Amino acid sequence: AQSVTQPDIHITVSEGASLELRCNYSYGATPYLFWYVQSPGQGLQLLLKYFSGDTLVQGIKGFEAEFKRSQSSFNLRKPSVHWSDAAEYFCAGGSYIPTFGRGTSLIVHP
Amino acid sequence: DAGVTQSPTHLIKTRGQQVTLRCSPKSGHDTVSWYQQALGQGPQFIFQYYEEEERQRGNFPDRFSGHQFPNYSSELNVNALLLGDSALYLCASSLRRMGGETQYFGPGTRLLVL
Repeated sequence: AQSVTQPDIHITVSEGASLELRCNYSYGATPYLFWYVQSPGQGLQLLLKYFSGDTLVQGIKGFEAEFKRSQSSFNLRKPSVHWSDAAEYFCAGGSYIPTFGRGTSLIVHP
Repeated sequence: DAGVTQSPTHLIKTRGQQVTLRCSPKSGHDTVSWYQQALGQGPQFIFQYYEEEERQRGNFPDRFSGHQFPNYSSELNVNALLLGDSALYLCASSLRRMGGETQYFGPGTRLLVL
């Protein structure tokens, strides 16, 4: 079955530190892959997406993600985290009807 | 350029009642999908509408039904509400004739069933 797994439920980082959120996918072919962010009580905002081509994808708010076929991963990274980045992050995969991971909650310490 | 809008923002109902949630897609989009997001979980796909027809459906009972209007807006109806229907209901829109892969989400409607 096609699926997306986010192994970390919570991640805590200090403001200014680097960030990497993990996402693993299970699909037969290369899926469409997405990262969304959800602030408390809000809908989902698209950070970036990967369909094909360059495996390093740049998104909004200084985020990037790297598609690694050999590891079935699509991890989200940011070199320096800001307090406003504290939110829930969702990885999703598939076309037309994306399947979402359960999310990773990012906590940022001052 | 208006994004995806949803109404109402919050709703409280009692078990057994019926509810209707509304969604207006992003300008220019023709496809609307509905998701249920329970507390602490990722969104779960309910169904998708395109050209006023239900095109795909997730693992949800027939109590969940929908409609798409000629202006592409959509409604989600839930009958015989259960306590377990309490969740954030998200609407997402996309442009199918351009591939439809990228969905843009509204702010959601938070439903509480007592």
